Amino acid sequence: DAGVTQSPTHLIKTRGQQVTLRCSPISGHKSVSWYQQVLGQGPQFIFQYYEKEERGRGNFPDRFSARQFPNYSSELNVNALLLGDSALYLCASSGQAHNEQFFGPGTRLTVL
Amino acid sequence: GENVEQHPSTLSVQEGDSAVIKCTYSDSASNYFPWYKQELGKRPQLIIDIRSNVGEKKDQRIAVTLNKTAKHFSLHITETQPEDSAVYFCAASIWGNNNDMRFGAGTRLTVKP
Repeated sequence: DAGVTQSPTHLIKTRGQQVTLRCSPISGHKSVSWYQQVLGQGPQFIFQYYEKEERGRGNFPDRFSARQFPNYSSELNVNALLLGDSALYLCASSGQAHNEQFFGPGTRLTVL
Repeated sequence: GENVEQHPSTLSVQEGDSAVIKCTYSDSASNYFPWYKQELGKRPQLIIDIRSNVGEKKDQRIAVTLNKTAKHFSLHITETQPEDSAVYFCAASIWGNNNDMRFGAGTRLTVKP
């Protein structure tokens, strides 16, 4: 049984570029949440999607956007990248219980 | 909004000793408190969680206690082993509502053999 998967594993971009990160939840899970984890800190909530609708947004600028597809996979887009966007981006899925989240391996984004 | 503080930031213990990590939260509406373990370069993994209708939960060598009045909860690891070495994160949210789970800053636990 596959867990949460994310792609790509690593990504290097330059300032001003745009990036798209992808997440596939555990089979049967309908909720996907995105987190940003800066080195040495805990994950910070960015978005939650449930049944393809945005259920919550954290304190991030409009450069960050996301969507969820009919198969419940999700994409996180970040425009006009800044150096401070360098971080590990984690996706977490949850099922009926909503709260028990299972994390993917993350995408490490480096902005130069 | 919710604010979660976690202490200590680093903790070093001898193998076999106990380790305790403490978190406080600010929002009295929070009623779900999970703990995650993150090994170097790996994903956070849920190790135990507690809802506010109970004061303590145990799973083998791991236990979590919750004091709703004081708004703090703690992770207890007994008989520590070197493989317990990792960063541990506490979090708080409202059960049934994942859209604003707040994490503590993490505790780096080192278990010396």
